[in-house]
Amino acid sequence: GNSVTQMEGPVTLSEEAFLTINCTYTATGYPSLFWYVQYPGEGLQLLLKATKADDKGSNKGFEATYRKETTSFHLEKGSVQVSDSAVYFCARAIPSGSARQLTFGSGTQLTVLP
Amino acid sequence: DVKVTQSSRYLVKRTGEKVFLECVQDMDHENMFWYRQDPGLGLRLIYFSYDVKMKEKGDIPEGYSVSREKKERFSLILESASTNQTSMYLCASSGQGTANEKLFFGSGTQLSVL
Repeated sequence: GNSVTQMEGPVTLSEEAFLTINCTYTATGYPSLFWYVQYPGEGLQLLLKATKADDKGSNKGFEATYRKETTSFHLEKGSVQVSDSAVYFCARAIPSGSARQLTFGSGTQLTVLP
Repeated sequence: DVKVTQSSRYLVKRTGEKVFLECVQDMDHENMFWYRQDPGLGLRLIYFSYDVKMKEKGDIPEGYSVSREKKERFSLILESASTNQTSMYLCASSGQGTANEKLFFGSGTQLSVL
């Protein structure tokens, strides 16, 4: 099936720490992969994406590399800030051509302490 | 600035009431979606629509219906609210083609059914 499994939270880090949030997906073809972020009191917004194997998506210091061999798309940031505190969702596109395109993981709550 | 607007931020209803959640987008998007967000479960798709008057069931449509009479507006209806429908409801929209992989979300409606 089409599913996304991501690291359970919550994750609490100190400012300037290194962040990794794991995400794996079930492979039906080569779907596009995404990370969405939800800041407190807001809806989700696209953080980054990758559309094919070995692509690296990046934005705001965050990176994720599309790894076909491990069916993974782990989110990383070298030095987190308090403003990065949010819920992070991994998602994959369903290659069906339907308007219903995305399957989301369960979300990982990140809290960054000053 | 593009926008998806949900009519209420917080809503409290009683069991058995009929509840309407409204969503409007100003991006002329073809696709609109209703998700519910619950802790540990992430986002689950309730219904989506790919055109005016068209709708398709998502993963958890039971107890819900939708209406799309105009392109910019997508309504979620709880015919007879129950306590297990207490949740955060998120509306989203997307364009056509590859653009449909990027969702734009509203800020959410936190519904409490007592």
